Amino acid sequence: GQNIDQPTEMTATEGAIVQINCTYQTSGFNGLFWYQQHAGEAPTFLSYNVLDGLEEKGRFSSFLSRSKGYSYLLLKELQMKDSASYLCAVRDSNGDSNYQLIWGAGTKLIIKP
Amino acid sequence: DSGVTQTPKHLITATGQRVTLRCSPRSGDLSVYWYQQSLDQGLQFLIQYYNGEERAKGNILERFSAQQFPDLHSELNLSSLELGDSALYFCASSVTGGRGGFTDTQYFGPGTRLTVL
Repeated sequence: GQNIDQPTEMTATEGAIVQINCTYQTSGFNGLFWYQQHAGEAPTFLSYNVLDGLEEKGRFSSFLSRSKGYSYLLLKELQMKDSASYLCAVRDSNGDSNYQLIWGAGTKLIIKP
Repeated sequence: DSGVTQTPKHLITATGQRVTLRCSPRSGDLSVYWYQQSLDQGLQFLIQYYNGEERAKGNILERFSAQQFPDLHSELNLSSLELGDSALYFCASSVTGGRGGFTDTQYFGPGTRLTVL
């Protein structure tokens, strides 16, 4: 079956580093997305990984290990505006040439001064 | 601004009523997705259209229906509304709709907040 697990909530301090993990089980993996969603607002695209390794984008980095079914989002130099939910979504094949996005429940990140 | 537009921004209605939510995808995107997000809940995929045809169905109730028109805008119709239908409804769009092995990022509209009283 298809399953994505993320911690429900995490707390971190302004200026620090936090790592948000995502583990998944899918049959036809074809990439993993991270989105940021502030309360009451739309999800916004952060990163996409399809090959193993680390992708860095400014203060945010995303890592993927396909053999372990594991990804993480690393946020550095945390700012108060980083308080948001972070959604992990896996692109999974149904067995044909069509792919669907399977969404995790999201991790609510709370930044404290 | 993602380029995806949704109207209306807010909608307040009564139980038993019917409403229509509208979405216009980004220029060049052929696929539209509808999601429901209840308070403090995750995104629930409802339905996807690609170039006017239904591509995938998620947890969409029979009281809900959608369509995508020739100009690629989409409408989500919610009928016989219940209190539990109160939620944020998001539309997202992408280029290929998940076809093939291409990276196909979904970009989200600002959402419609539906309140059923």
